[in-house]
Amino acid sequence: GDSVTQMEGPVTLSEEAFLTINCTYTATGYPSLFWYVQYPGEGLQLLLKATKADDKGSNKGFEATYRKETTSFHLEKGSVQVSDSAVYFCALRSYSSASKIIFGSGTRLSIRP
Amino acid sequence: DTGVSQDPRHKITKRGQNVTFRCDPISEHNRLYWYRQTLGQGPEFLTYFQNEAQLEKSRLLSDRFSAERPKGSFSTLEIQRTEQGDSAMYLCASSPEWDRGDQETQYFGPGTRLLVL
Repeated sequence: GDSVTQMEGPVTLSEEAFLTINCTYTATGYPSLFWYVQYPGEGLQLLLKATKADDKGSNKGFEATYRKETTSFHLEKGSVQVSDSAVYFCALRSYSSASKIIFGSGTRLSIRP
Repeated sequence: DTGVSQDPRHKITKRGQNVTFRCDPISEHNRLYWYRQTLGQGPEFLTYFQNEAQLEKSRLLSDRFSAERPKGSFSTLEIQRTEQGDSAMYLCASSPEWDRGDQETQYFGPGTRLLVL
């Protein structure tokens, strides 16, 4: 079945460092891909998405490109801030399903001042 | 802000008791979803409603779980004869219809954290 595998955490970086969180997926057809973020004490929020191959999703300085050839959707940010400390979830919604989103296990990111 | 709301936010119960959670979706959204999230894991899909119709149920949703959305607005998730393994965060999400913009996005509520003693 469809699945998402993402980099295990926790990841600890210094402020202004470059961030990459790896994500790969297994799915039939052409899924839509997402990154969700969960800040401490808050609910899941959509960070960015891409719905077809080679699309780049971007938001708040974060970017991820839908790579079908490598079945990947890695999250990147050029310069992280303390406020980016959160848990990040890579996810997919398969083309054949109108409902469920399949999530990875999450990567906890901590940024040191 | 009229985002997805869930009630209660926290629930502690004893094993064997029944619990019920409520979800109020964003008012114009006709699709509603329930997920369960255990510690250190991503959310797992439980069930999905389009209006009042329950269209999909996960194998995770055992016979002790039942979800309803009687008028196509709010939804309830009931767990009967709770077990310690039911301890988790229960998340609700909603999304608009397919023929409107942003239909890919599911908007999540803050969750109900259940602890079964």
